[in-house]
Amino acid sequence: DAKTTQPPSMDCAEGRAANLPCNHSTISGNEYVYWYRQIHSQGPQYIIHGLKNNETNEMASLIITEDRKSSTLILPHATLRDTAVYYCIVRVAGLPSGSARQLTFGSGTQLTVLP
Amino acid sequence: EAGVTQFPSHSVIEKGQTVTLRCDPISGHDNLYWYRRVMGKEIKFLLHFVKESKQDESGMPNNRFLAERTGGTYSTLKVQPAELEDSGVYFCASSLFRGGTDTQYFGPGTRLTVL
Repeated sequence: DAKTTQPPSMDCAEGRAANLPCNHSTISGNEYVYWYRQIHSQGPQYIIHGLKNNETNEMASLIITEDRKSSTLILPHATLRDTAVYYCIVRVAGLPSGSARQLTFGSGTQLTVLP
Repeated sequence: EAGVTQFPSHSVIEKGQTVTLRCDPISGHDNLYWYRRVMGKEIKFLLHFVKESKQDESGMPNNRFLAERTGGTYSTLKVQPAELEDSGVYFCASSLFRGGTDTQYFGPGTRLTVL
């Protein structure tokens, strides 16, 4: 799986959009970009994932650049409860055998939403 | 739909004792993963089951760790004998492989303290 680079920390004002960047310059054509977050010591929470196109769900939007070398997770209206460590993970799609595989977590970005 | 559950939530044992952690995946999920986070370190993969078979156990630290998944449903992770460095939070995740990829959903974790 390709390596990702994220800023160690970011602040965001409550109610504003939080834009979390991720660099994955060595990503391959068959690798997805996944985002998870961990609030305190809770289990990691799935947010969103994408392959090429931008994606949106009820939690966030994922913008992937055309060359796929970087992406941005957008939380449109950050709340205090969004304070967490956010992980950008690049993960190859199913192995040739068609099986799933593990996630490789880095150190992530500590997002602090300020009142 | 119930999420991934783990038991116990906390366990405090003495060095040399045995501890068994349990994970109940989301119903119908073939894939079950174990991860752990030791103090100050990143979340690390331990092993991966597909149904009752071990697909990948490359992350298991040593032979003091034994994982089983009876009947392809719940899984247990036994540590015997426990050492101080085994302290940390153990997470379980489950997923259903579909459409070329899978999304892993995590449980709340078991915090293990070895004294």
